Amino acid sequence: EVQLVESGGGLVQPGGSLRLSCAASGFIFSDHFMGWVRQAPGKGLEWVGHSGNKGISYIKEYVASVRGRFTISRDHSENSLYLQMNSLKSEDTAVYYCTRGLGGTSVYDSWGQGTLVTVSS
Amino acid sequence: DIQMTQSPSSLSASVGDRVTITCRASQGIYNAVVWYQQKPGKAPNLLLHGALSGAFNLESGVPSRFSGSGSGTDYTLTISSLQPEDYGTYYCQHYYSAPGFGQGTKVEIK
Repeated sequence: EVQLVESGGGLVQPGGSLRLSCAASGFIFSDHFMGWVRQAPGKGLEWVGHSGNKGISYIKEYVASVRGRFTISRDHSENSLYLQMNSLKSEDTAVYYCTRGLGGTSVYDSWGQGTLVTVSS
Repeated sequence: DIQMTQSPSSLSASVGDRVTITCRASQGIYNAVVWYQQKPGKAPNLLLHGALSGAFNLESGVPSRFSGSGSGTDYTLTISSLQPEDYGTYYCQHYYSAPGFGQGTKVEIK
């Protein structure tokens, strides 16, 4: 069974940093694109970024609003995906979902339960 | 970046009704479209996605009353006969380039 379990969310002050983790299991981690999608309270879904699958895991793309502040990384030995978030702003407040792409695509066929990040003083 | 404009933003329909939700991309996306359903407090669930072949692939376990169609910039999700469990918010997403989501359509059962 495919499982994605996020952790690391919480309350952080504006300008602060936070690192989210996503533990993946039940599939071959290196075979899949992996991404992060967020949802601000009461709002729609926003793609945050993704990391390519095996051979092209150097591919990292981000939505413009987080580019230069957020960094995605993956540890294939730990089957884990990370999202390092720096210079956080109030508008980054959201539930952050870890997502698995269908093979080498960004068709997200599995989602974690989400972790809430609140940026507030 | 490619923008996805989804309509309507909400709808209310009766059980058995045919429901249509549309998404328009700001440029051609060659069938690289995905549809999700999200229920309150839950993560989205993949319903179907378009492929470069032109086909729309229904995810395993998704009822056949859901279908996708479209080409170029315009895409449609159709629920052929609305059921009580189909409430929720539906999102389109493109995966032609760096992904983007539509604004969502909230479906209410009358």
